Amino acid sequence: EDQVTQSPEALRLQEGESSSLNCSYTVSGLRGLFWYRQDPGKGPEFLFTLYSAGEEKEKERLKATLTKKESFLHITAPKPEDSATYLCAVHETSGSRLTFGEGTQLTVNP
Amino acid sequence: DAGITQSPRHKVTETGTPVTLRCHQTENHRYMYWYRQDPGHGLRLIHYSYGVKDTDKGEVSDGYSVSRSKTEDFLLTLESATSSQTSVYFCAISAGLAPGELFFGEGSRLTVL
Repeated sequence: EDQVTQSPEALRLQEGESSSLNCSYTVSGLRGLFWYRQDPGKGPEFLFTLYSAGEEKEKERLKATLTKKESFLHITAPKPEDSATYLCAVHETSGSRLTFGEGTQLTVNP
Repeated sequence: DAGITQSPRHKVTETGTPVTLRCHQTENHRYMYWYRQDPGHGLRLIHYSYGVKDTDKGEVSDGYSVSRSKTEDFLLTLESATSSQTSVYFCAISAGLAPGELFFGEGSRLTVL
């Protein structure tokens, strides 16, 4: 069974304090790994797609990386507006659906 | 903005009553999805549709039915609501290059008493 585990469950940072969120997965074959951001009371917002180990994607203060077993979402010099829950999801080659992790709730204090 | 509207946004109902949630899109995307989000479980797929009158089950489809009579509308029905169906329901469309690039609606919060 596909598994997606995100850690930590919650993370508090000071503004400007860089850190990383982790998404580990076990699938028989990876078709794609996806990162989303979710603000309270809103639907998830798509951020990145990663297809193969070694791939990296960047957007403003966020950079997503992928290995064969996990993905990291690096947050450089975060700002309070980066506070949100970050979700990852995997799409297996033999399946037709996404498996989502439970998310990491990030709080950035000014 | 992918043009997805969910209604109602909030609903409180009693056990045993039928409930229908509506998802409306304005961009004629073929694939539409219904997810539920619960603490400790993350997002789980209930049903999805790949065209008018073409639907399939997701991982948590028991107790739910769907219908898609028009491209723009995807309805989720709870025939007889139970307290375990208290959740936040999200509609999504697949509008990106990859199947996992979904665009979600704002959600419908359902409470079953």
